[in-house]
Parts: sequence; structure tokens; C-alpha cells
Amino acid sequence: AQKVTQAQTEISVVEKEDVTLDCVYETRDTTYYLFWYKQPPSGELVFLIRRNSFDEQNEISGRYSWNFQKSTSSFNFTITASQVVDSAVYFCALSEASTGNQFYFGTGTSLTVIP
Amino acid sequence: SQTIHQWPATLVQPVGSPLSLECTVEGTSNPNLYWYRQAAGRGLQLLFYSVGIGQISSEVPQNLSASRPQDRQFILSSKKLLLSDSGFYLCAWSVLSTLRFFGQGTRLTVV
Repeated sequence: AQKVTQAQTEISVVEKEDVTLDCVYETRDTTYYLFWYKQPPSGELVFLIRRNSFDEQNEISGRYSWNFQKSTSSFNFTITASQVVDSAVYFCALSEASTGNQFYFGTGTSLTVIP
Repeated sequence: SQTIHQWPATLVQPVGSPLSLECTVEGTSNPNLYWYRQAAGRGLQLLFYSVGIGQISSEVPQNLSASRPQDRQFILSSKKLLLSDSGFYLCAWSVLSTLRFFGQGTRLTVV
């Protein structure tokens, strides 16, 4: 079964619009970690954020914000006032305390910001 | 500073030829290292990870192998490439249980 689901395959928005990327995860562990990564056209993944399962506080970093809700097993990522440089593929990932070195990735959401 | 290097960036190889992709890290010791493959339109699939010299864990049975000859070196190999080995390969390094750094990736095309 897919542990991380990113249902949105592709999203296009016009510059300055807000956009939310969805991520739903599945785990039986009580301790786990959630991540978001950005993959620009160059291909190299860039780490954006890590969230621990015991910390449900939402986080904001500039134009980026993350909404972690254990009740719905979701860890959504919102970009406010999108810019062309935000165009990339975004991956959500999960690791579980019980499996340590396993990082489960979603299939990614390709975001295109149109100028 | 902490950096990760992966090469080559692109590779076109004939079916049946060998493969060697190299990944090295700087600025740390005893890192946890990973090889991932990304097929078009799909997420990252973990191939191998290593927690130390000579210690390799394989996650998916395949035509590939990995080796950790030195603390900061991780190599992905194949004796005979298949068409299905084509893809984008990424080396990664975890820090404090986070996949923190990734190599630039290698786009492998098997023809």
C-alpha cells in the first residue's frame, strides 16, 4: 500500500496566486516524521521541512506554510503569492521510527507557475 | 561545509554494459547514505542504503548492486544493464534522521 499519497499530479497557477499541495500519509507508528522536498528542473532535491508526529503546530517560513493534521493524516503545503521560481516538482515523504532508514516518498506534484 | 557529489550527470549506455555511479560526501564522518531511482512520473524508489563501510541494505531486488568501500563513498553498480534500468538516480545523505542532502542526480539512458 502506498504510504504517502499526493493525489495532485500536476497543478498550474498564475503568478501571485496561492496554491496548496496535498499530502496524505499512512502509518501505524506513533512516532514518525514528515517531509517536503522541492525538485526544480535541474533535478537535485532540496529539503524544505521536517515535521515530527508529536508536534502538530503549523509552520510558516516566508511564503511557505505547512498544515499538519493527524486527525486526517495530512501534511499539506501552501505557497502564498506564488512566483515563477516556485515551478518544480514537490515531494512529500514519511519516515517511521520503527523502520529508521526507510523514507517513503509520494509520487510528487508538478507545479507550474505561469507568469 | 557539508556537501555531496554525484557523477556523472548523464550517461548513455548500451544494454549489457556495466555501470558505475559514484557518490561522495564531505564535511562529515560515518554518514548514512542512500541510492534512489526516480522513474518518469513516479516518486523516488529506495534502492540501497548504507550505515557504514561495507554495510549495504538492499530494498528492491534488481539488477543493481551497491558498495561502500570508504566511509564517505557510495557506489552504485551493475554488471549488465537492462533497458528497465533507465531512470534518474539520486544519491542522498541523511542527517539526524532527515534526508538532508542530495546529489545532482544521474540521468541514465540504456539503449
